[in-house]
Amino acid sequence: NAGVTQTPKFQVLKTGQSMTLQCAQDMNHEYMSWYRQDPGMGLRLIHYSVGAGITDQGEVPNGYNVSRSTTEDFPLRLLSAAPSQTSVYFCASSYSSGSGANVLTFGAGSRLTVL
Amino acid sequence: GQNIDQPTEMTATEGAIVQINCTYQTSGFNGLFWYQQHAGEAPTFLSYNVLDGLEEKGRFSSFLSRSKGYSYLLLKELQMKDSASYLCAVRDSNYQLIWGAGTKLIIKP
Repeated sequence: NAGVTQTPKFQVLKTGQSMTLQCAQDMNHEYMSWYRQDPGMGLRLIHYSVGAGITDQGEVPNGYNVSRSTTEDFPLRLLSAAPSQTSVYFCASSYSSGSGANVLTFGAGSRLTVL
Repeated sequence: GQNIDQPTEMTATEGAIVQINCTYQTSGFNGLFWYQQHAGEAPTFLSYNVLDGLEEKGRFSSFLSRSKGYSYLLLKELQMKDSASYLCAVRDSNYQLIWGAGTKLIIKP
């Protein structure tokens, strides 16, 4: 069981460039999500998915796109990178998003710097 | 608005006990989580409270008072490896997680 696998671990972009952060999980989790973590702030939800073919916006979705064509994969696309998107990005998954202790399993994180 | 408050940083001594507080104001409540995050790593799950009272799990315990909008994480017999950030998160009425900024715990020998 690899859990949640994120790539790349580090990336430097120039303003205006686009890129995709990859996320894959092998736990058959229905719920997948992307967060960004910035100093002095709590984790902020970018986009999430409750199952294949279903995605929704979180708290800070602007500048990001997602898709969920399979249960396993949930890539995050930066359309035109801006310095404000410099952050650490975490992909996380759980069995569901409803009641109960639906514990999130996080990927190792992707540190993105936009110059 | 929704808000989770935690102290930014705390220092404790190896072998001692430390209590990390979390107060919250959210639109609804469907559970409170504590996660541990070592520097440069991913958060990992520690505890979950949905009813008032104390949940004990080894050296770690978590307490919840829904009427006061308050929780704490109690760490006993502190070890150097407990140096980490501790994140409090509340699941609101829409089943979305609202995260605190985390408490950085420094353990000194």
